[in-house]
Amino acid sequence: NAGVTQTPKFRILKIGQSMTLQCAQDMNHNYMYWYRQDPGMGLKLIYYSVGAGITDKGEVPNGYNVSRSTTEDFPLRLELAAPSQTSVYFCASSYLDYNSPLHFGNGTRLTVT
Amino acid sequence: TQLLEQSPQFLSIQEGENLTVYCNSSSVFSSLQWYRQEPGEGPVLLVTVVTGGEVKKLKRLTFQFGDARKDSSLHITAAQPGDTGLYLCAGAGGQNFVFGPGTRLSVLP
Repeated sequence: NAGVTQTPKFRILKIGQSMTLQCAQDMNHNYMYWYRQDPGMGLKLIYYSVGAGITDKGEVPNGYNVSRSTTEDFPLRLELAAPSQTSVYFCASSYLDYNSPLHFGNGTRLTVT
Repeated sequence: TQLLEQSPQFLSIQEGENLTVYCNSSSVFSSLQWYRQEPGEGPVLLVTVVTGGEVKKLKRLTFQFGDARKDSSLHITAAQPGDTGLYLCAGAGGQNFVFGPGTRLSVLP
């Protein structure tokens, strides 16, 4: 099993550009999450999904959008990139509920200049 | 808003030393998880503690959940260079996990 796969690994965007960060999991997990990690700030939840067709905002959703059309995929969309969105983005998935362990991808390092 | 604090923020020790890192909150969590993250990778789960007062051991690592389920500690005995990494605690509350800022541990040979 590949687990949680994120693409791309690195990306540089100009201010105002758009992009989609891809996330796929092959563990049949119903819960999926997007976090951003800034130095010294821990992981902040952007959006999460409890199943296909259902998404909810996390702590820092502004400037992002998500969709969950299948159990496996949970893409994160940045519409108008801003320097404040420079960060490392992690996708995670878990089985059953929030007491189950999170399985993380290896992250996407995004720089907006 | 539930917040988790971790201390110390940075820790640099010699191989063979013992250490303890802490995870504290004013909120009660239904469970608490500890993760270790290495550079360029996502966090990897070390342990989940669920019951107040619970102690779990994972080889040289000992995890404790506070009686009131608001805090936790991680003790490492005889640290090794392979223990180097960012240690994150995460509390389960509502439908989400709340992460602390992490303790960055460096074990020097």
